[in-house]
Amino acid sequence: AQKVTQAQTEISVVEKEDVTLDCVYETRDTTYYLFWYKQPPSGELVFLIRRNSFDEQNEISGRYSWNFQKSTSSFNFTITASQVVDSAVYFCALSEDNYGQNFVFGPGTRLSVLP
Amino acid sequence: DAGVIQSPRHEVTEMGQEVTLRCKPISGHNSLFWYRQTMMRGLELLIYFNNNVPIDDSGMPEDRFSAKMPNASFSTLKIQPSEPRDSAVYFCASSRTSGSYNEQFFGPGTRLTVL
Repeated sequence: AQKVTQAQTEISVVEKEDVTLDCVYETRDTTYYLFWYKQPPSGELVFLIRRNSFDEQNEISGRYSWNFQKSTSSFNFTITASQVVDSAVYFCALSEDNYGQNFVFGPGTRLSVLP
Repeated sequence: DAGVIQSPRHEVTEMGQEVTLRCKPISGHNSLFWYRQTMMRGLELLIYFNNNVPIDDSGMPEDRFSAKMPNASFSTLKIQPSEPRDSAVYFCASSRTSGSYNEQFFGPGTRLTVL
């Protein structure tokens, strides 16, 4: 069965530091999708990125970057020059379904960025 | 484009009462998901629909929970009778599920408190 592990329960950093959130997944399928979501204190879940199993290219979007490594079954998320507004719970998720219907979410990592 | 709309945003009720949560998915999305989030269990998928048809309701905790999707633009999650352990944030999400475009977009959630 598919599984997502986020070993870091809570992380605290000081503003402008870089921080990496770890995500390790388990799946027997060769085709799957990985996602990151952000849940700020206001409570909504915000989609950040989707990556399919055939695309191992790393991605950068502003201060955010993602490192997908199939060899280690990891999909880590790095925030460069963190800001207070980055404080949130971040969830990694996995779907084995081609249509993304069967999501499994990790337990989340609570990131606190201190001024 | 409007996002996923949920109502009410907050609901406080007494044990034994019926509770109905409502969701309007993003126009054009053909899959709809109901999740429950608690501190103890994290994000749990309760049920999902594809083209208005329930596909997997294995996450529905008990017969007290029921969900309907009478048309492509509306879904309800009903709890009858409600119990204090049902207190949680309930999220509705929708997705397009077309090829690679399978990320789920979440509504703001309904915070349910059962006294």
